Amino acid sequence: AQKVTQAQTEISVVEKEDVTLDCVYETRDTTYYLFWYKQPPSGELVFLIRRNSFDEQNEISGRYSWNFQKSTSSFNFTITASQVVDSAVYFCALMQETSGSRLTFGEGTQLTVNP
Amino acid sequence: SQTIHQWPATLVQPVGSPLSLECTVEGTSNPNLYWYRQAAGRGLQLLFYSVGIGQISSEVPQNLSASRPQDRQFILSSKKLLLSDSGFYLCAWTPDRHSPLHFGNGTRLTVT
Repeated sequence: AQKVTQAQTEISVVEKEDVTLDCVYETRDTTYYLFWYKQPPSGELVFLIRRNSFDEQNEISGRYSWNFQKSTSSFNFTITASQVVDSAVYFCALMQETSGSRLTFGEGTQLTVNP
Repeated sequence: SQTIHQWPATLVQPVGSPLSLECTVEGTSNPNLYWYRQAAGRGLQLLFYSVGIGQISSEVPQNLSASRPQDRQFILSSKKLLLSDSGFYLCAWTPDRHSPLHFGNGTRLTVT
């Protein structure tokens, strides 16, 4: 079975603070893919990043960075110097090699960045 | 470039009425197609997915059904809506099962 846990339901920060969104996953597969999506108030889901299970290199894209650690089954997302426009619900998701095309989402973390 | 269209954007339907939500993808062929629902909370629940015309996999037994009459068309239907069917319905596509899903803008359904 595959499962994604985002323990933080809501996070509130002040602009320019750094914030980390946690994601812990469960899978029996050795090959799997991890994703982060952003859902702004308008509702559409925006793809942010994909990681496969064989690539543990951390990634940085502008103010966004991701820390993938297989030893702890975590794929955490950090926003540096947060901005009001970062306010959204963020979803972590998992796709197992053996699960066909099923993408399992966590429950999401509501991030509010206050000015 | 590829685009995904989903309509209508919002819908208010009485209990017991039928439902038809449509999703089409342009600029690609033989995409994998998905229907997700996001209920009052935030979680996204996979309802159906399709890897080809006429091939539908159902994830959750309920009064909804899906069809794929054409390669890039995915339809979500119900013969009789329930109050519990209210939610935000999202269509998505991917060129293959390992690639990121790309989502439509969603349909907000309210069953009254």
